[in-house]
Amino acid sequence: KNEVEQSPQNLTAQEGEFITINCSYSVGISALHWLQQHPGGGIVSLFMLSSGKKKHGRLIATINIQEKHSSLHITASHPRDSAVYICAVIFNNDMRFGAGTRLTVKP
Amino acid sequence: NAGVMQNPRHLVRRRGQEARLRCSPMKGHSHVYWYRQLPEEGLKFMVYLQKENIIDESGMPKERFSAEFPKEGPSILRIQQVVRGDSAAYFCASSLPGQGFTGELFFGEGSRLTVL
Repeated sequence: KNEVEQSPQNLTAQEGEFITINCSYSVGISALHWLQQHPGGGIVSLFMLSSGKKKHGRLIATINIQEKHSSLHITASHPRDSAVYICAVIFNNDMRFGAGTRLTVKP
Repeated sequence: NAGVMQNPRHLVRRRGQEARLRCSPMKGHSHVYWYRQLPEEGLKFMVYLQKENIIDESGMPKERFSAEFPKEGPSILRIQQVVRGDSAAYFCASSLPGQGFTGELFFGEGSRLTVL
């Protein structure tokens, strides 16, 4: 079993919809990253969380350390949000990645 | 302020040749991380370096792969005697001193290695 599980694997939404991507992990972590990988392959770090909630523009990330769960929300989704969203956890000075969620936002 | 720079962006090698991938971290960053993304697979951590020091290489294959981050110049990921299975995208990220994995990471665009 992978230490980091993301759901859903694939997600298609209409422009304007509210999106939620989930990440569950099975180990004690010191931090969690949400990354965005564009169709061209480049990776951008969206958030680094160790507790609570962070917001940047239309993106919101939350983490519940007790439940070992994090969510990434996108409000008012737009076709340019189409990308693969990757959850990565840090534990024991190591970094493990989820398989990613492929989001497609249709106009 | 330039971001993390990786080169080459694309590299083609024949089986048995050597591949060298370079990564220049963001200005002021002294931590560098290398990741590999095999086709249709997720990212996997390879190695974490500070200048002149390997902090964690638990993700590096035991043979043919090596990494360095010298006092001057870029970090280099070196793959000797490449095989087809080494074909992948190799990403580099950097962070500020003292933050390690729990700091904000800045990624390069990746180097795509194709082994013929």
